Amino acid sequence: GIQVEQSPPDLILQEGANSTLRCNFSDSVNNLQWFHQNPWGQLINLFYIPSGTKQNGRLSATTVATERYSLLYISSSQTTDSGVYFCAVDPGGGADGLTFGKGTHLIIQP
Amino acid sequence: SQTIHQWPATLVQPVGSPLSLECTVEGTSNPNLYWYRQAAGRGLQLLFYSVGIGQISSEVPQNLSASRPQDRQFILSSKKLLLSDSGFYLCAWNSYNEQFFGPGTRLTVL
Repeated sequence: GIQVEQSPPDLILQEGANSTLRCNFSDSVNNLQWFHQNPWGQLINLFYIPSGTKQNGRLSATTVATERYSLLYISSSQTTDSGVYFCAVDPGGGADGLTFGKGTHLIIQP
Repeated sequence: SQTIHQWPATLVQPVGSPLSLECTVEGTSNPNLYWYRQAAGRGLQLLFYSVGIGQISSEVPQNLSASRPQDRQFILSSKKLLLSDSGFYLCAWNSYNEQFFGPGTRLTVL
């Protein structure tokens, strides 16, 4: 099956810093999503981005489908940004479930 | 708007006991539904998905089963729990290829 690798696995930053999280995938995809898992376990949808670039406030994401990677940018980090960020892909279409990476554990220190 | 519910939120069960976790979606009809499991410190793994009533596809062999008795209801079951069944169970649904997750059930098997 498709492989999803995220880097770095852990990241510790000071409040106000910027960060870039990377997601590499081993095959073409029809769906790519970024999630933030908060301390209570809830998965928050950040971006649905199988290709192109999107921005939402301090967060933006870019997927280069031809080169099989996606980047999540977080600017001016806040302590509430702490948590685990997951990239997940679906190589098929329609009903197929998502294959998740192992996540990046982000800690923002005040 | 669409909402997804899961219950119970937490559950502690002895080894060998049965299990029933419920997921219900509101505000949509004929959704694709999914069960995922997250072991401690790991990413999510797809367990089952369903495209309609009575239609279940299993992604991995395991001690669990799933059923979809109604259009917007998805149930995860086990006849006899194992220690390895402990984890965080999340239900999800699809909206135009994007997946959205419920709040999850944290299961501890002792």
